[in-house]
Amino acid sequence: GAGVSQSPRYKVAKRGQDVALRCDPISGHVSLFWYQQALGQGPEFLTYFQNEAQLDKSGLPSDRFFAERPEGSVSTLKIQRTQQEDSAVYLCASSSTGNVETQYFGPGTRLLVL
Amino acid sequence: AQKITQTQPGMFVQEKEAVTLDCTYDTSDPSYGLFWYKQPSSGEMIFLIYQGSYDQQNATEGRYSLNFQKARKSANLVISASQLGDSAMYFCAMRDPTGNQFYFGTGTSLTVIP
Repeated sequence: GAGVSQSPRYKVAKRGQDVALRCDPISGHVSLFWYQQALGQGPEFLTYFQNEAQLDKSGLPSDRFFAERPEGSVSTLKIQRTQQEDSAVYLCASSSTGNVETQYFGPGTRLLVL
Repeated sequence: AQKITQTQPGMFVQEKEAVTLDCTYDTSDPSYGLFWYKQPSSGEMIFLIYQGSYDQQNATEGRYSLNFQKARKSANLVISASQLGDSAMYFCAMRDPTGNQFYFGTGTSLTVIP
Protein backbone atom coordinates (compact mmCIF):
# COMPACT_ATOMS: atom_id res chain seq x y z
CA GLY A 1 0.00 0.00 0.00
CA ALA A 2 0.96 3.65 -0.21
CA GLY A 3 3.39 4.94 2.35
CA VAL A 4 3.92 8.42 3.72
CA SER A 5 4.63 10.93 1.00
CA GLN A 6 6.15 14.38 1.26
CA SER A 7 6.45 17.24 -1.16
CA PRO A 8 8.49 18.87 -2.40
CA ARG A 9 11.43 16.51 -2.04
CA TYR A 10 13.86 19.41 -2.40
CA LYS A 11 13.38 23.09 -1.76
CA VAL A 12 15.81 25.95 -2.16
CA ALA A 13 14.73 29.21 -0.59
CA LYS A 14 16.30 32.60 -0.27
CA ARG A 15 16.72 33.85 3.25
CA GLY A 16 13.55 35.61 4.30
CA GLN A 17 11.22 33.62 2.07
CA ASP A 18 8.29 31.63 3.41
CA VAL A 19 8.10 27.91 2.63
CA ALA A 20 5.39 25.28 2.99
CA LEU A 21 6.15 21.60 3.27
CA ARG A 22 3.45 19.01 2.73
CA CYS A 23 2.96 15.59 4.28
CA ASP A 24 0.46 12.93 3.15
CA PRO A 25 0.30 10.27 5.88
CA ILE A 26 -0.72 6.67 5.44
CA SER A 27 -4.49 6.52 5.04
CA GLY A 28 -6.23 6.03 8.36
CA HIS A 29 -3.24 6.89 10.49
CA VAL A 30 -4.33 8.99 13.43
CA SER A 31 -0.96 10.26 14.59
CA LEU A 32 1.34 12.51 12.61
CA PHE A 33 4.77 13.77 13.60
CA TRP A 34 7.17 16.31 12.14
CA TYR A 35 10.91 16.12 12.71
CA GLN A 36 13.90 18.24 11.74
CA GLN A 37 17.09 16.41 10.87
CA ALA A 38 20.26 18.47 10.58
CA LEU A 39 23.18 17.09 8.63
CA GLY A 40 24.90 14.28 10.50
CA GLN A 41 22.36 14.28 13.33
CA GLY A 42 19.37 12.26 14.37
CA PRO A 43 15.85 13.57 13.83
CA GLU A 44 14.61 16.07 16.38
CA PHE A 45 10.96 16.24 17.27
CA LEU A 46 9.06 19.32 16.17
CA THR A 47 5.36 18.67 16.65
CA TYR A 48 2.68 16.00 16.97
CA PHE A 49 -0.92 15.75 15.79
CA GLN A 50 -3.63 13.35 16.77
CA ASN A 51 -6.21 13.68 14.03
CA GLU A 52 -6.60 17.45 13.56
CA ALA A 53 -5.52 18.35 17.07
CA GLN A 54 -1.97 19.56 17.59
CA LEU A 55 -1.23 17.97 20.95
CA ASP A 56 2.42 18.87 21.24
CA LYS A 57 4.35 21.66 19.56
CA SER A 58 7.11 21.96 22.10
CA GLY A 59 9.81 21.15 19.56
CA LEU A 60 9.09 24.00 17.19
CA PRO A 61 12.24 26.13 17.37
CA SER A 62 10.60 29.52 17.01
CA ASP A 63 7.34 31.26 16.24
CA ARG A 64 8.39 31.27 12.60
CA PHE A 65 7.44 27.59 12.48
CA PHE A 66 3.79 26.68 12.17
CA ALA A 67 2.10 23.34 11.46
CA GLU A 68 -1.47 22.43 10.71
CA ARG A 69 -3.58 19.39 9.89
CA PRO A 70 -7.03 20.86 9.42
CA GLU A 71 -8.91 17.74 8.31
CA GLY A 72 -6.91 15.18 10.21
CA SER A 73 -5.08 13.81 7.18
CA VAL A 74 -2.68 15.98 5.16
CA SER A 75 -0.39 18.22 7.17
CA THR A 76 1.58 21.30 6.24
CA LEU A 77 4.65 22.64 8.00
CA LYS A 78 5.17 26.30 7.27
CA ILE A 79 8.34 28.22 7.95
CA GLN A 80 8.14 31.98 7.73
CA ARG A 81 11.08 34.28 7.00
CA THR A 82 13.46 31.38 6.56
CA GLN A 83 16.96 31.60 8.00
CA GLN A 84 20.09 29.69 7.04
CA GLU A 85 19.89 27.65 10.24
CA ASP A 86 16.56 26.27 9.02
CA SER A 87 18.43 24.27 6.37
CA ALA A 88 17.76 20.62 7.18
CA VAL A 89 15.75 17.61 6.15
CA TYR A 90 12.18 17.78 7.41
CA LEU A 91 10.72 14.35 8.05
CA CYS A 92 7.09 13.50 8.49
CA ALA A 93 5.92 10.27 10.10
CA SER A 94 2.54 8.73 10.79
CA SER A 95 1.29 5.94 12.97
CA SER A 96 -1.94 4.17 13.78
CA THR A 97 -3.16 3.58 17.28
CA GLY A 98 -2.28 0.24 18.73
CA ASN A 99 -0.01 -1.52 21.12
CA VAL A 100 3.10 -0.74 19.14
CA GLU A 101 2.83 2.77 17.87
CA THR A 102 5.56 2.52 15.34
CA GLN A 103 6.04 5.48 13.12
CA TYR A 104 6.34 5.16 9.39
CA PHE A 105 8.44 7.89 7.86
CA GLY A 106 8.20 9.72 4.59
CA PRO A 107 11.22 10.39 2.38
CA GLY A 108 11.67 13.88 3.78
CA THR A 109 11.96 17.35 2.30
CA ARG A 110 15.49 18.67 2.01
CA LEU A 111 15.39 22.42 2.59
CA LEU A 112 18.32 24.63 1.72
CA VAL A 113 18.16 28.27 2.68
CA LEU A 114 20.65 30.49 0.89
CA ALA B 1 19.07 16.15 28.65
CA GLN B 2 20.38 13.49 26.32
CA LYS B 3 17.99 10.57 26.39
CA ILE B 4 19.53 8.31 23.76
CA THR B 5 23.26 7.76 23.39
CA GLN B 6 24.91 6.02 20.48
CA THR B 7 28.66 6.00 21.06
CA GLN B 8 29.76 4.46 17.76
CA PRO B 9 29.84 7.06 14.98
CA GLY B 10 30.96 4.44 12.47
CA MET B 11 31.22 0.67 12.30
CA PHE B 12 32.60 -1.76 9.73
CA VAL B 13 31.62 -5.40 9.37
CA GLN B 14 32.58 -8.14 6.96
CA GLU B 15 29.80 -9.47 4.79
CA LYS B 16 28.02 -12.48 6.39
CA GLU B 17 29.34 -11.61 9.84
CA ALA B 18 27.25 -10.37 12.78
CA VAL B 19 27.53 -6.84 14.16
CA THR B 20 26.27 -5.14 17.32
CA LEU B 21 25.29 -1.48 17.37
CA ASP B 22 25.22 0.06 20.83
CA CYS B 23 22.46 2.16 22.34
CA THR B 24 21.93 3.37 25.89
CA TYR B 25 19.00 5.39 27.10
CA ASP B 26 17.98 7.48 30.04
CA THR B 27 14.53 7.60 31.54
CA SER B 28 13.00 7.47 34.99
CA ASP B 29 9.66 6.20 33.75
CA PRO B 30 9.02 2.44 33.99
CA SER B 31 6.99 2.40 30.77
CA TYR B 32 8.71 3.23 27.52
CA GLY B 33 9.36 1.89 24.05
CA LEU B 34 12.63 1.48 22.24
CA PHE B 35 13.02 1.44 18.47
CA TRP B 36 15.70 0.99 15.87
CA TYR B 37 15.53 2.61 12.45
CA LYS B 38 17.68 2.28 9.36
CA GLN B 39 18.31 5.29 7.17
CA PRO B 40 19.95 4.51 3.82
CA SER B 41 21.47 7.23 1.67
CA SER B 42 18.05 7.85 0.10
CA GLY B 43 17.05 9.43 3.41
CA GLU B 44 13.95 7.48 4.34
CA MET B 45 13.78 6.13 7.89
CA ILE B 46 12.90 2.44 7.88
CA PHE B 47 11.52 0.81 11.03
CA LEU B 48 13.46 -2.29 12.03
CA ILE B 49 12.50 -3.46 15.48
CA TYR B 50 10.64 -2.50 18.66
CA GLN B 51 11.13 -3.42 22.32
CA GLY B 52 8.66 -2.52 25.05
CA SER B 53 9.99 -1.91 28.53
CA TYR B 54 7.77 -4.63 29.97
CA ASP B 55 8.58 -7.21 27.33
CA GLN B 56 10.14 -10.25 28.96
CA GLN B 57 11.92 -11.48 25.87
CA ASN B 58 14.29 -9.73 23.52
CA ALA B 59 12.63 -8.66 20.31
CA THR B 60 13.61 -10.34 17.05
CA GLU B 61 12.70 -9.54 13.46
CA GLY B 62 14.41 -11.73 10.90
CA ARG B 63 18.13 -10.94 10.97
CA TYR B 64 17.60 -8.20 13.54
CA SER B 65 17.50 -8.77 17.26
CA LEU B 66 17.53 -6.39 20.15
CA ASN B 67 19.72 -7.15 23.15
CA PHE B 68 17.65 -5.49 25.86
CA GLN B 69 19.36 -5.08 29.22
CA LYS B 70 16.94 -3.11 31.32
CA ALA B 71 19.11 -2.70 34.41
CA ARG B 72 21.92 -1.29 32.29
CA LYS B 73 19.47 0.78 30.24
CA SER B 74 20.88 -0.56 27.02
CA ALA B 75 19.14 -1.70 23.85
CA ASN B 76 21.79 -2.86 21.42
CA LEU B 77 20.86 -3.91 17.89
CA VAL B 78 22.37 -7.14 16.59
CA ILE B 79 22.40 -7.72 12.85
CA SER B 80 23.26 -11.28 11.88
CA ALA B 81 24.66 -12.42 8.54
CA SER B 82 25.37 -8.87 7.33
CA GLN B 83 24.57 -8.04 3.73
CA LEU B 84 25.93 -5.27 1.52
CA GLY B 85 22.48 -3.68 1.57
CA ASP B 86 22.76 -3.23 5.32
CA SER B 87 25.18 -0.35 4.80
CA ALA B 88 23.33 2.68 6.15
CA MET B 89 22.87 4.92 9.18
CA TYR B 90 21.18 3.27 12.13
CA PHE B 91 19.26 5.23 14.73
CA CYS B 92 18.10 4.15 18.16
CA ALA B 93 15.01 5.92 19.46
CA MET B 94 12.86 5.99 22.56
CA ARG B 95 9.25 6.99 22.89
CA ASP B 96 8.51 9.14 25.90
CA PRO B 97 5.41 7.70 27.64
CA THR B 98 4.53 11.05 29.20
CA GLY B 99 4.02 12.62 25.82
CA ASN B 100 4.15 11.84 22.20
CA GLN B 101 7.76 12.53 21.51
CA PHE B 102 10.37 10.24 20.10
CA TYR B 103 13.99 10.88 21.08
CA PHE B 104 16.62 9.79 18.59
CA GLY B 105 20.31 9.16 19.05
CA THR B 106 22.96 10.63 16.78
CA GLY B 107 23.20 7.44 14.79
CA THR B 108 25.82 4.88 13.77
CA SER B 109 27.06 4.60 10.22
CA LEU B 110 27.44 0.93 9.30
CA THR B 111 29.54 -0.14 6.33
CA VAL B 112 29.45 -3.74 5.20
CA ILE B 113 32.66 -4.81 3.49
CA PRO B 114 32.50 -7.47 0.75
